Amino acid sequence: GAVVSQHPSRVICKSGTSVKIECRSLDFQATTMFWYRQFPKQSLMLMATSNEGSKATYEQGVEKDKFLINHASLTLSTLTVTSAHPEDSSFYICSARSGSDIGELFFGEGSRLTVL
Amino acid sequence: QKEVEQNSGPLSVPEGAIASLNCTYSDRGSQSFFWYRQYSGKSPELIMFIYSNGDKEDGRFTAQLNKASQYVSLLIRDSQPSDSATYLCAAGMPRPLVFGKGTRLSVIA
Repeated sequence: GAVVSQHPSRVICKSGTSVKIECRSLDFQATTMFWYRQFPKQSLMLMATSNEGSKATYEQGVEKDKFLINHASLTLSTLTVTSAHPEDSSFYICSARSGSDIGELFFGEGSRLTVL
Repeated sequence: QKEVEQNSGPLSVPEGAIASLNCTYSDRGSQSFFWYRQYSGKSPELIMFIYSNGDKEDGRFTAQLNKASQYVSLLIRDSQPSDSATYLCAAGMPRPLVFGKGTRLSVIA
């Protein structure tokens, strides 16, 4: 299957700082990428849809000014958590849709954010 | 609200038995359905997808889809301890995938 790489896998930061997470599609071009958040023992929650060359589409309840998404190329999308707080501590996972008609998603390895 | 419902489990089965995981979805517009496996602390990995009514088999896994009942299932034959994980059902196309909360499967050796 397609390969999606995410970095960093773990990050610990102080409250009030910003953290950037990168998501790359390694062997295919992804015009659309998706960012999910998962709290312990909870389901994946879609945060936003990242569109190459245009503004991201955010799900209801997700603050676009807090979670900045940039999709500057067909292989790279970034999520920046600005002014992070302890309640932002979570597992953030990016994904990209395959180019097939089925539309299956391939996930990055995930980034575990801990805000102290 | 577009929802995908799963029994959270845990579902415990003995090694070698058949594990049956079930899922219902509310959006009749969904065209494709996916089963992902997620080990603790890891991101989901795709096991199977299905988009036509009936059964689809891949090795020890069989996905079943009944669009009239809005029901999807995953059967795992000859369950192994390494199958112990959380299984996520997802429905999609044309919308972005909507995930269920997952069913935790425990295969007892």
